[in-house]
Amino acid sequence: GAVVSQHPSWVICKSGTSVKIECRSLDFQATTMFWYRQFPKQSLMLMATSNEGSKATYEQGVEKDKFLINHASLTLSTLTVTSAHPEDSSFYICSARDQVLANEQYFGPGTRLTVT
Amino acid sequence: AQSVTQLGSHVSVSEGALVLLRCNYSSSVPPYLFWYVQYPNQGLQLLLKYTSAATLVKGINGFEAEFKKSETSFHLTKPSAHMSDAAEYFCAVSRNQAGTALIFGKGTTLSVSS
Repeated sequence: GAVVSQHPSWVICKSGTSVKIECRSLDFQATTMFWYRQFPKQSLMLMATSNEGSKATYEQGVEKDKFLINHASLTLSTLTVTSAHPEDSSFYICSARDQVLANEQYFGPGTRLTVT
Repeated sequence: AQSVTQLGSHVSVSEGALVLLRCNYSSSVPPYLFWYVQYPNQGLQLLLKYTSAATLVKGINGFEAEFKKSETSFHLTKPSAHMSDAAEYFCAVSRNQAGTALIFGKGTTLSVSS
């Protein structure tokens, strides 16, 4: 089956530093990937839609200069949290849309970010 | 705009009892609906999905859901709960069409007691 990986699975960083999270589709090509954020005991909230070769589309209220998204290839999208603060601590989950099977999207295992 | 409402943030059942998790949706277009399960500190696992074919959808682990347009509902059921079913369950609707971003409900925590 289709597999989406995320790296790292968890990361701890100091306030003010930047952290990059990778989302990879391992056995299919994804022109579109989505980034979600999940606070403890809460639901997933869409942050942005990442399209290969173009700028990401951010949801209202999401700071595009703080959450930098790059989708440089059909199998990789990255989310960089710049100048991280403790309130950015969260579970970040990506999903990838299969280019061929456009109705299908697959979720990664998530990345736990803790900012101290 | 699409939205989903999950009724009951926490459902408790005994092992072997019926599981019923409720989900109502709102959609301006024919909806694509999903149920996902999430175990602690893990990502999402797709249980089942409705994509305008059969209204009764069977998924993994014995779960099924019925799409009822008249009631705008997509409730998740399982005839007999197992301890391993204890997890967080999310109902979701495609934002615009199949394969687009998902709008999630707030989730329902299922507890199963022996």
